[in-house]
Amino acid sequence: NAGVTQTPKFQVLKTGQSMTLQCAQDMNHEYMSWYRQDPGMGLRLIHYSVGAGITDQGEVPNGYNVSRSTTEDFPLRLLSAAPSQTSVYFCASSRMPGGGANVLTFGAGSRLTVL
Amino acid sequence: EDQVTQSPEALRLQEGESSSLNCSYTVSGLRGLFWYRQDPGKGPEFLFTLYSAGEEKEKERLKATLTKKESFLHITAPKPEDSATYLCAVQGSGAGSYQLTFGKGTKLSVIP
Repeated sequence: NAGVTQTPKFQVLKTGQSMTLQCAQDMNHEYMSWYRQDPGMGLRLIHYSVGAGITDQGEVPNGYNVSRSTTEDFPLRLLSAAPSQTSVYFCASSRMPGGGANVLTFGAGSRLTVL
Repeated sequence: EDQVTQSPEALRLQEGESSSLNCSYTVSGLRGLFWYRQDPGKGPEFLFTLYSAGEEKEKERLKATLTKKESFLHITAPKPEDSATYLCAVQGSGAGSYQLTFGKGTKLSVIP
């Protein structure tokens, strides 16, 4: 049981380049989300999905796109990278809480540097 | 808007020296308060969920408690392997009720 798998672990981009961070989970979780973690700040929600074909914005969605074509995968796309997007990105998933507590399982993270 | 403030930002303890980490929060209708542990270079790992004031949960040397305004993570006789950053998060019952709001964390260092 791999849990939540993120690739790549490290990536360096130049300003204006595009790329996709991959996230896959094998727990049949309906809820998936992307967070970014910056020094001196808490984890901030970028986008989330409550099921295949359904996505919504979180606290800091600008500059990022997501899609959810399958239950297992939730890729995060940077269309035109900016230095402000230098961060560590975490994918997290959970069973749909159905009105209860949303206990998240996190991936190991992807460290992105934009020059 | 939900808010979480953790203190202290960093804490150094001698092995065996018990202490507490604080998490103060404001939330519209608490669905859950969460504690996570994060080791360097890794993702957060779930520890506890607390649901209502007065609730307590324990795991090995860790004990989490909850009041209407704050939560404490008590660490009894810590060992060096307890060194990590501890994150607190809340989930409210307002709009976007699946969303968690995280604090900045407390970095704990336990010195042998």
